[in-house]
Amino acid sequence: NAGVTQTPKFQVLKTGQSMTLQCAQDMNHNSMYWYRQDPGMGLRLIYYSASEGTTDKGEVPNGYNVSRLNKREFSLRLESAAPSQTSVYFCASSFGGANEKLFFGSGTQLSVL
Amino acid sequence: GESVGLHLPTLSVQEGDNSIINCAYSNSASDYFIWYKQESGKGPQFIIDIRSNMDKRQGQRVTVLLNKTVKHLSLQIAATQPGDSAVYFCAEEAGNNRKLIWGLGTSLAVNP
Repeated sequence: NAGVTQTPKFQVLKTGQSMTLQCAQDMNHNSMYWYRQDPGMGLRLIYYSASEGTTDKGEVPNGYNVSRLNKREFSLRLESAAPSQTSVYFCASSFGGANEKLFFGSGTQLSVL
Repeated sequence: GESVGLHLPTLSVQEGDNSIINCAYSNSASDYFIWYKQESGKGPQFIIDIRSNMDKRQGQRVTVLLNKTVKHLSLQIAATQPGDSAVYFCAEEAGNNRKLIWGLGTSLAVNP
């Protein structure tokens, strides 16, 4: 089992460009999450999906959209990237909801110039 | 422990010693606490969790202690090894909305 797979691992964007971060899990988990990690800020939840077909805003949703494509895949889209979105992005999944043991991907390092 | 700022608090220990990483949590209504380990260049990895109806829980080489009176959580690592070098995060699940609140992390450095 690969666990949680994120692509790409690194990305550089210019301000205003768009991109989609992909995430897939092969553990048959119900819940999936997108976090960003910034120095001195810890992990902050952007969006989560408690089950297939549902998505909810987290702590910092502005500037992002998500799609729970199916049970395995949960994508994060930046429609018009801004320098403030420079961060490391982590996808995570859990079998249950409500923050049960999370399994994280290896992250996407995004720089917006 | 946890602190605000760009520089993580750092704990430096000798290989083979025991490590204690502390965390002060904010919400007296929190009833679920988790410790994660994050190695450089990787995502966080679950270590151990504890619910508020317990004071102590043990895993393999790790023990989590919960003191609800002073809202304090600690992670003890026995016989610390170089592979334990990482940033350790505590997180609490708080409030009716069940949101997970993450601490800022503590960096553990293991000296050979």
